[in-house]
Amino acid sequence: DIQMTQSPASLSASLGETVTIECLASEDIYDILAWYQQKPGKSPQLLIYDASSLHTGVPSRFSGSGSGTQYSLKINSLQPEDFASYYCQNGLSAPLTFGSGTKLEIK
Amino acid sequence: EVQLVESGGGLVQPGRSMKLSCAASGFTFNNYDMAWVCQAPKKGLEWVATISYDGSSTYYRDSVKGRFTISRDNAKSTLYLQMDSLRSEDTATYYCARHTMGITHYFDYWGQGVMVTVSS
Repeated sequence: DIQMTQSPASLSASLGETVTIECLASEDIYDILAWYQQKPGKSPQLLIYDASSLHTGVPSRFSGSGSGTQYSLKINSLQPEDFASYYCQNGLSAPLTFGSGTKLEIK
Repeated sequence: EVQLVESGGGLVQPGRSMKLSCAASGFTFNNYDMAWVCQAPKKGLEWVATISYDGSSTYYRDSVKGRFTISRDNAKSTLYLQMDSLRSEDTATYYCARHTMGITHYFDYWGQGVMVTVSS
């Protein structure tokens, strides 16, 4: 099984700041990686797929990058609605695995 | 508008069964692979099972193999998850999710989730 190691587990930042979340796969996943945002009490929402492609309707302040085993999600100019939890996901093969999540909080 | 609406959750005793349903609308259901993803209280996301667009192929995480069965009724645009021999560790919110089209396996739309509590 492909393990997804996500860091940090939590992150505190201010409005307008830029933050980066990392995801490390236990083997090469050939950019077959997605990022999701989940707000408290809500279902996850797809942000980015294929490591760097923005899903429909996702603001351009979100961006993804990486290759091989190392990937990152960058959020520029944090807005109030961005404070949530974020998960990476291996979309290459079953079992489909998620990172353990990053909780982004307001400083 | 794509909508996925789960139902069938609740409190169940260990060892008993429960069946979840997910009613889909707003898209051509029989064109998409579908999945169940769960989230234990205060924990992260875990993929549970996937079924192909025509129901011919199913895939499960190891911990539910032999206990859970994913199925679909394309005529009714409905996805199901039959959960047998339930354990306390199956307690979670269960989300119905649509897979993206193509050979990659992302989830582009999710239901609101249904809570399953396994406890005596």
